[in-house]
Amino acid sequence: RKEVEQDPGPFNVPEGATVAFNCTYSNSASQSFFWYRQDCRKEPKLLMSVYSSGNEDGRFTAQLNRASQYISLLIRDSKLSDSATYLCVVNLYNQGGKLIFGQGTELSVKP
Amino acid sequence: EADIYQTPRYLVIGTGKKITLECSQTMGHDKMYWYQQDPGMELHLIHYSYGVNSTEKGDLSSESTVSRIRTEHFPLTLESARPSHTSQYLCASSPNPGQGNTEAFFGQGTRLTVV
Repeated sequence: RKEVEQDPGPFNVPEGATVAFNCTYSNSASQSFFWYRQDCRKEPKLLMSVYSSGNEDGRFTAQLNRASQYISLLIRDSKLSDSATYLCVVNLYNQGGKLIFGQGTELSVKP
Repeated sequence: EADIYQTPRYLVIGTGKKITLECSQTMGHDKMYWYQQDPGMELHLIHYSYGVNSTEKGDLSSESTVSRIRTEHFPLTLESARPSHTSQYLCASSPNPGQGNTEAFFGQGTRLTVV
């Protein structure tokens, strides 16, 4: 079993749609969580950190459920520019802070 | 804007050559990472470092080696390049928890082609 698993994609949605990505992690010692965005042939860039109480940044909402070892990302009112691959990332404090990436979920927003 | 740099951005080289991919960061981060990514595929961790003189192999077996003599510098070396090494190599760094937010910053990557 992979340490971080994401929904298999791709997700093809129309502009304006709401889309949700899910991610599960297997190491209960994981302490920090992030969502990254990676555009085609570019490096990953931080989209947002994920906090225990949940957090929102504009159209993006991240949730964390430590008991279920589950992270989610909700995108409201999808834009064409949201098309990218979204990566779930956990930081394993008990392994010296090693960062583990999920395999990514591709999102394609169509007009 | 992240202060982490990789050179070269693109490299085409013949089989059997020795190559070194450079990665430098000016943020004073202790942790540095090398990931390998094929087009449309997931990131695979091949090396990471907790700090100076500390290096560990990642989850994906790699014939490359790394060194960490200075905090800011984490070069990756292939002694004898082969076509199977053709891929994109991404370097990243992150601070220790006590140094601030633990997010990772990535360089722009080196796209390596071995012919």
